[in-house]
Amino acid sequence: AQKITQTQPGMFVQEKEAVTLDCTYDTSDPSYGLFWYKQPSSGEMIFLIYQGSYDQQNATEGRYSLNFQKARKSANLVISASQLGDSAMYFCAMRGSQGGSEKLVFGKGTKLTVNP
Amino acid sequence: KAGVTQTPRYLIKTRGQQVTLSCSPISGHRSVSWYQQTPGQGLQFLFEYFSETQRNKGNFPGRFSGRQFSNSRSEMNVSTLELGDSALYLCASSSLGGTFYNEQFFGPGTRLTVL
Repeated sequence: AQKITQTQPGMFVQEKEAVTLDCTYDTSDPSYGLFWYKQPSSGEMIFLIYQGSYDQQNATEGRYSLNFQKARKSANLVISASQLGDSAMYFCAMRGSQGGSEKLVFGKGTKLTVNP
Repeated sequence: KAGVTQTPRYLIKTRGQQVTLSCSPISGHRSVSWYQQTPGQGLQFLFEYFSETQRNKGNFPGRFSGRQFSNSRSEMNVSTLELGDSALYLCASSSLGGTFYNEQFFGPGTRLTVL
């Protein structure tokens, strides 16, 4: 079974500053994928970034980067140069390799507020 | 390429009724998954379909059911609605099935309110 823990219910950041959203995970699967999604108030889940358990380098996608520390089982999302439009809920999720399922296990989420 | 579409976007029902939600995946995607999102329980996996076969099911009562058609469109049905079924129901599709590295793309969701 997989478990995702996001310990920050809410985070505040000033526009143009960087922010780190924490995510720790637990799994017994030998291979797994870690995902971050953004959910604006409209409700749609927007895929941001992916990190595979065997990837040697941290994933980056534009202003998003993932600080992956496998030994510590953490996969923190770093947003650089925050924008007002980044205000949203952010969810960390994972999928294991066993069972051949698409099932994603989500954390409780972090509400990010970007202040002008 | 059009994204995942879900209909209807909003729905109001009363206890005891049944409801059917529809999801059209991204063209070419054969895998469809459904999730329920509530303030208390967060995002929970309902079920997953690939090529018209249910591959996995979450821990929900039998009142929740689904199916997938040959064109990959999927429907989920909830019978005998309860107040606790009020939630945002999200559908997600992916091009590959059963791989741990494959991202899922979500639709805008159907917000169901049970009165």
